Amino acid sequence: DIQMTQSPSSLSASVGDRVTITCRANQSISSYLNWYQQKPGKAPKFLIYAASNLQSGVPSRFSGSESGTDFTLTISSLQPEDFATYYCQQSYNTPLTFGGGTKVEIK
Amino acid sequence: QVQLVQSGAEVKKPGASVKVSCKASGYSFTSYYMHWLRQAPGQGLEWMGIINPSGGRTGYSQKFLGRVTMTRDTSSSTVYMELNRLTSEDTAVYYCARAGTRDGYNFFDHWGQGTLVTVSS
Repeated sequence: DIQMTQSPSSLSASVGDRVTITCRANQSISSYLNWYQQKPGKAPKFLIYAASNLQSGVPSRFSGSESGTDFTLTISSLQPEDFATYYCQQSYNTPLTFGGGTKVEIK
Repeated sequence: QVQLVQSGAEVKKPGASVKVSCKASGYSFTSYYMHWLRQAPGQGLEWMGIINPSGGRTGYSQKFLGRVTMTRDTSSSTVYMELNRLTSEDTAVYYCARAGTRDGYNFFDHWGQGTLVTVSS
């Protein structure tokens, strides 16, 4: 199975801050990397596919990038509605696997 | 709009089975595969398997092989996930999620609201 490691597991930030979350795969997954946002008690929401492509309707302050087996989710200016847990997920092969999540909390 | 509506919460005893449903609307049911995932309390997301609503073909995570069965009913646009021989470690929120695809990339583009399954004696 492909292991996905996210860091940090949690972070505290203020509204307006730039936030970066990292996800590392333990083998090459090309660009088969997706990002999701999950708020407490809710289902995940799909944000980004193929490492850097924004899903329709997702605010442009969200962006994704990749470098080898390292992937990054960036929120350019954190908004109140962005406080949530973020998960990366590889779609390179089955079993489909997720990172452990990064909880973004209010500072 | 795409909607996935799941069945309600369940409480089961160890050793029992549970069957969760997911009714799709707002799109062509047989044109998109459907995944099942779960999330234990306070934990991350775990993929269980996938079903093709068109022909019913399935693919399961090795972890659940022999214990999970995914089926579909095209007449009601509903997919089902049955999990057998439940233990306390199966206590989780179970999600169905539609398999989106674009440019050869796959993702979970729409999710059900989740179904809490509690396994307790």
